[in-house]
Amino acid sequence: QVQLVQSGPEVRKPGASVRVACETSGYNFIDYGIAWVRLAPGQGLEWVGWVSPVNGQSNSAATLQGRVTLTTDTSTRISYMDLRNLRYDDTAVYFCARGGLGSLKDGLDVWGRGTRVTVSS
Amino acid sequence: QSALTQPASVSGSPGQSVTISCIGGHNDIGSYNYVSWYQQHPDKAPKLIIYDVSYRPSGVSDRFSASKSGNTASLTISGLQAEDEGRYYCFSYRGSTTSWVFGGGTSLTVL
Repeated sequence: QVQLVQSGPEVRKPGASVRVACETSGYNFIDYGIAWVRLAPGQGLEWVGWVSPVNGQSNSAATLQGRVTLTTDTSTRISYMDLRNLRYDDTAVYFCARGGLGSLKDGLDVWGRGTRVTVSS
Repeated sequence: QSALTQPASVSGSPGQSVTISCIGGHNDIGSYNYVSWYQQHPDKAPKLIIYDVSYRPSGVSDRFSASKSGNTASLTISGLQAEDEGRYYCFSYRGSTTSWVFGGGTSLTVL
């Protein structure tokens, strides 16, 4: 069946970087995009960005001010989210989810279980 | 980027119906039929329950229905059940920023 398996929890200091991996299986990797969403403590879901495995095209939330990079590796079927210059308010559970190639209009239909990223000094 | 506007909480008794609104604007809900809805239980991943404004994915109960009018999307849950308790989010494309945005989320309590 379709699965998205995420890497384990991470703890980083402010100013550091973190990489979260999302390993996919059960479907043709290049037929779908991967979106990233985060849920901070006491907050609502926040769209982080989206990446296409076909050509690496990506789009991310303006609020992340260029600190995030989304990539895919078609040989391993893994999508990565790299977040730099971490701040305390980046503390959140980060989810990857399967979406469309050119658009997320059909929704995010399969989700990973989430990766907790904690930013603490 | 500001989130779409949802009520913080709604409640209903078993068997009743509740409707959750999601208010956007001309640059998102008002111009695009790209609204989806998600259900999230505590410490779980969100689950897609509606896409393209009003379509249900396979396996989602027909007690969930949704629509859109102008700048507002709505999710209706009929025949409330205890398992419906959780948090619900709307999600839409925003053309002015070529990005996507969630609603603030609505907590549903089944009394």
